[in-house]
Amino acid sequence: GQQLNQSPQSMFIQEGEDVSMNCTSSSIFNTWLWYKQDPGEGPVLLIALYKAGELTSNGRLTAQFGITRKDSFLNISASIPSDVGIYFCAGQPDNYGQNFVFGPGTRLSVLP
Amino acid sequence: EPEVTQTPSHQVTQMGQEVILRCVPISNHLYFYWYRQILGQKVEFLVSFYNNEISEKSEIFDDQFSVERPDGSNFTLKIRSTKLEDSAMYFCASSGVSGRGGTDTQYFGPGTRLTVL
Repeated sequence: GQQLNQSPQSMFIQEGEDVSMNCTSSSIFNTWLWYKQDPGEGPVLLIALYKAGELTSNGRLTAQFGITRKDSFLNISASIPSDVGIYFCAGQPDNYGQNFVFGPGTRLSVLP
Repeated sequence: EPEVTQTPSHQVTQMGQEVILRCVPISNHLYFYWYRQILGQKVEFLVSFYNNEISEKSEIFDDQFSVERPDGSNFTLKIRSTKLEDSAMYFCASSGVSGRGGTDTQYFGPGTRLTVL
């Protein structure tokens, strides 16, 4: 079945630094979603991407839908302590099924 | 802003007991989902539900699991005879219909932590 890989698995950065993480697959996806999950809580939607090449921003967050439709990246600029958490990408496969496949997540730690 | 709600937030049960996890999806959404996340692992799809029937399910969603929309607002997940390995966070999600065909973005509830002893 379709699988998503995320890199890096974890990262430690200084407050104020920019962050970049990505999500890749060997399969084509129609939709990419980026979620953030805090401990003990449900994933919170950050950005949704619907078209190949699409670049979308949400405050300090920017995400792009890769033109091959097999990848996406998420950038966070000027990180702050509350950016700490696990960032999941989720993709909707090309068969227009209804479920999303989740990546394993990137754990972000922000050092003061 | 509309949101998905789930109850209870934490459920502790004995192995072999039945549990029902409840969700209230966003009111104008038509697609409903259950996902599971074992501690420290990724979110896994269980089942999707549309037009009062299951539209997709994963290998995890075996005969011990069932879903129901008993009224116009609730969406439930029942585990008939819980096992130790059913301990996880269970997330409900809902989505509308996108203009491109297919489903729109999924919005998640806060989850129910199920602990099976």
